[in-house]
Amino acid sequence: DIQMTQSPSSLSASVGDRVTITCRASQSIGTFLNWYQQKPGQAPKLLIYVASTLQSGVPSRFSGSGSGTDFTLTISSLQPEDFATYYCQQSYTSRMYTFGQGTKLEMK
Amino acid sequence: QVRLQQWGAGLLKPSETLSLTCIVHGGSLSPHYWSWIRQPPGKGLEWIGESSHDGITNYNPSLKSRVSISVDTSKNQLSLKLNSLTAADTAVYYCARGLLSDYQYHFDCWGQGTLVTVSS
Repeated sequence: DIQMTQSPSSLSASVGDRVTITCRASQSIGTFLNWYQQKPGQAPKLLIYVASTLQSGVPSRFSGSGSGTDFTLTISSLQPEDFATYYCQQSYTSRMYTFGQGTKLEMK
Repeated sequence: QVRLQQWGAGLLKPSETLSLTCIVHGGSLSPHYWSWIRQPPGKGLEWIGESSHDGITNYNPSLKSRVSISVDTSKNQLSLKLNSLTAADTAVYYCARGLLSDYQYHFDCWGQGTLVTVSS
């Protein structure tokens, strides 16, 4: 199985900060990488797919980049509603998908 | 707009079988893949398996011996069965649509989640 490792596991930041979360795959996955946001008590929400394509309706302060094994999710200017847990997910191995362990973004 | 609504028993005993159903509102099962994903309390996400609209299934090898996913196109529903439950199966279970874009799948639409607790 392809293992997905996110860093950091938790992060404290303030409104207005620029935040970057990293996801590393155990082998090259091209751009077969998606990002999700999950708030407590809610289902995950798709933010970015194919590494850098913004899902419809997602604010442009979110962006994704990377290919191969290293990927980043960046929030350019943190807003109060962005405090949540973020997950990466690979879809390179067809029919067997794996997620990162999550990064919890907390208010400083 | 597609909306997924799911339901099923929330408290089960060890060795029993979990049974959940998810109905698709505002869209068709075709031509998508439909997945079940679970999340133990306070932990991350685990993909359980999927079914295509026409019943082709794929399962996580770690659960394959205990899981069955099926679709009913006449009802626009998908179902999950997981047998021989243990406490380790306690989790929130989600149904989700796998949307194909640029040759890869992403989960663009999710059910509200169902907490299943396995306890004697």
